[in-house]
Amino acid sequence: AQKITQTQPGMFVQEKEAVTLDCTYDTSDPSYGLFWYKQPSSGEMIFLIYQGSYDQQNATEGRYSLNFQKARKSANLVISASQLGDSAMYFCASRSITGTASKLTFGTGTRLQVTL
Amino acid sequence: DSGVTQTPKHLITATGQRVTLRCSPRSGDLSVYWYQQSLDQGLQFLIQYYNGEERAKGNILERFSAQQFPDLHSELNLSSLELGDSALYFCASSPSPQETQYFGPGTRLLVL
Repeated sequence: AQKITQTQPGMFVQEKEAVTLDCTYDTSDPSYGLFWYKQPSSGEMIFLIYQGSYDQQNATEGRYSLNFQKARKSANLVISASQLGDSAMYFCASRSITGTASKLTFGTGTRLQVTL
Repeated sequence: DSGVTQTPKHLITATGQRVTLRCSPRSGDLSVYWYQQSLDQGLQFLIQYYNGEERAKGNILERFSAQQFPDLHSELNLSSLELGDSALYFCASSPSPQETQYFGPGTRLLVL
C-alpha cells in the first residue's frame, strides 16, 4: 500500500517569492512515480510535474521544480516567483503499477494563498 | 483544458436514486480512471479500465459500477444513492497505465 503525507494544511507566500510544499511518501514498490496536481477553486485537477523513482535529476517544469530526496522519501514541490494565480490546493500523489493496473494515491493537500 | 470531458457538470438527485456519470478520455488514451473527492475521505481511487477491461479496483462500493465501451468512453453508475455519496467525481485518462493521468473537470454530485 502507498501512503502520501502532506503536513501543511495551509501556506501563505508573498507574490514573487518562492515557496516549498512538503510531501513525504511511503511505498514498498521498487519503481514508482510521484506527481503534483493543482486544484484551483473552480475544481479541476491540473497536472503540474512528475518524478520517476529512477530519475537521476530533479524534475522541472517552468516555475515548478520537484525536490526529490529518495533516501528521505520526500518529493517537495518548489514554486518560484509565486503569482496570484498560484493560489489553489496542491496535491501530491504516488502511482503504483502492476502490469496494466495503475492508480494514484493522493495526500490530503496543501492550500496555498499568494498575497500581494 | 486537459482534453478529458465529463458530463454532466452538476447533478442533484435524491436518496435511493441511480445516476450515470459519463467520461470521454483524451484522443488516443486507452486507460480511464475514476476518482471520488469528498470532504471526509479526500481524493480516492475508485476503478481503472484499460482498453475496455477492468484492471484495478480501489475503495469502490458495491452500489457503484463502471464500464469502458469499445469507443473508449466510460460510465460510472451509482445506485441506491445515500447522502454520503455527495462528492466530486473525477475521470482521468492516460495513453497507457505507465503515463501521466490527465483529469477531466469533474461531476459534482449532490444527494438530497
